[in-house]
Amino acid sequence: KQEVTQIPAALSVPEGENLVLNCSFTDSAIYNLQWFRQDPGKGLTSLLLIQSSQREQTSGRLNASLDKSSGRSTLYIAASQPGDSATYLCAVKYTGNQFYFGTGTSLTVIP
Amino acid sequence: EAQVTQNPRYLITVTGKKLTVTCSQNMNHEYMSWYRQDPGLGLRQIYYSMNVEVTDKGDVPEGYKVSRKEKRNFPLILESPSPNQTSLYFCASSPWTGHQETQYFGPGTRLLVL
Repeated sequence: KQEVTQIPAALSVPEGENLVLNCSFTDSAIYNLQWFRQDPGKGLTSLLLIQSSQREQTSGRLNASLDKSSGRSTLYIAASQPGDSATYLCAVKYTGNQFYFGTGTSLTVIP
Repeated sequence: EAQVTQNPRYLITVTGKKLTVTCSQNMNHEYMSWYRQDPGLGLRQIYYSMNVEVTDKGDVPEGYKVSRKEKRNFPLILESPSPNQTSLYFCASSPWTGHQETQYFGPGTRLLVL
């Protein structure tokens, strides 16, 4: 069974701080990894998708990296804002057609 | 507007009363999927479909059925709901064309089975 772990489960930071969210997976033979944002009472919004052949992807203040050999991905958020407060989830896809999600990190950015 | 829609958004039912949660996407996506989200367990895949008339089990298919008769629709059927199926359900779709495999999620359906 594929395991995807996100630590910490919750994180609280002051506005303006740079932060890193972590995602670990047990099987390094991934096809791609995707980071999502989930706001309370809403669905998931895709932030970044990294293919297995890539090392990182960037979108605005977000940067996601992938290290397959160590089974880890990080989501870096620069200059955090209160609007970044949400739950962040990572999802791993292997060569089959299933996706495996972590349990998420709940982020609170304090004004 | 490109979107995935789910209905109903909230549902309270009783054990054993069959129900269907509808899912529809207007992006002509091949891949569609159902997930349930439970505290401490994250999202777990129930069923997925690669295309019309092609469906496969995910990690937690027991107690659920799906069908894919049309490309845009992927209903989730609970033939005899039980309290352990109380959960938040999400439908998602993806174009499934090489690298363009970003999943798009519906707003969720919160189900309570009494």
